[in-house]
Amino acid sequence: DTAVSQTPKYLVTQMGNDKSIKCEQNLGHDTMYWYKQDSKKFLKIMFSYNNKELIINETVPNRFSPKSPDKAHLNLHINSLELGDSAVYFCASSQDGTVLSGANVLTFGAGSRLTVL
Amino acid sequence: AQSVTQLDSQVPVFEEAPVELRCNYSSSVSVYLFWYVQYPNQGLQLLLKYLSGSTLVKGINGFEAEFNKSQTSFHLRKPSVHISDTAEYFCAVSGTSGSARQLTFGSGTQLTVLP
Repeated sequence: DTAVSQTPKYLVTQMGNDKSIKCEQNLGHDTMYWYKQDSKKFLKIMFSYNNKELIINETVPNRFSPKSPDKAHLNLHINSLELGDSAVYFCASSQDGTVLSGANVLTFGAGSRLTVL
Repeated sequence: AQSVTQLDSQVPVFEEAPVELRCNYSSSVSVYLFWYVQYPNQGLQLLLKYLSGSTLVKGINGFEAEFNKSQTSFHLRKPSVHISDTAEYFCAVSGTSGSARQLTFGSGTQLTVLP
């Protein structure tokens, strides 16, 4: 049973469209994240939610809107897609508590490759 | 804020040879350090972490890393690599408290093990 699952795995779409990527974790973790990995493999955090509340919102265009209906789900909606949005988007989760108890250890999904034409 | 530099973007090595992947960090506060591995078309998974105590930490698949505070380094090593170790390796750093606990990743090192 997959711990962090993302759908879809691949997404090809035209510029200007709106698309969503869904993420679910069954680990009971309290914090979920979205990372963007560009073509050079550089990983950058976009958002972080803790118990459905936004706690990290890096400098990301407001065309990107995360939504967390409950602490097991964190979806990413992207409006008016641009060529530069092409990337692999990773969802991840971690548990709360001290680092010594396992916090700060992220469990990643397999990624969603978005290609904007 | 913390930053991570992985000095080598690509490291080719022959099977059964030793390998070292270099990582240096910068931080004004105490840090935790991590190595993650990404196999092709997969998400990242934790290899090992340094939180405190012994500066030599052992991880999965025979990897180990040594925390060197004076040189601000956390290099990853394996004495004998296998073809299956071919992957992208990411070093990451976080502060130990508050908002500094957010993970910052390096740019990755592609390890390619040749037969």
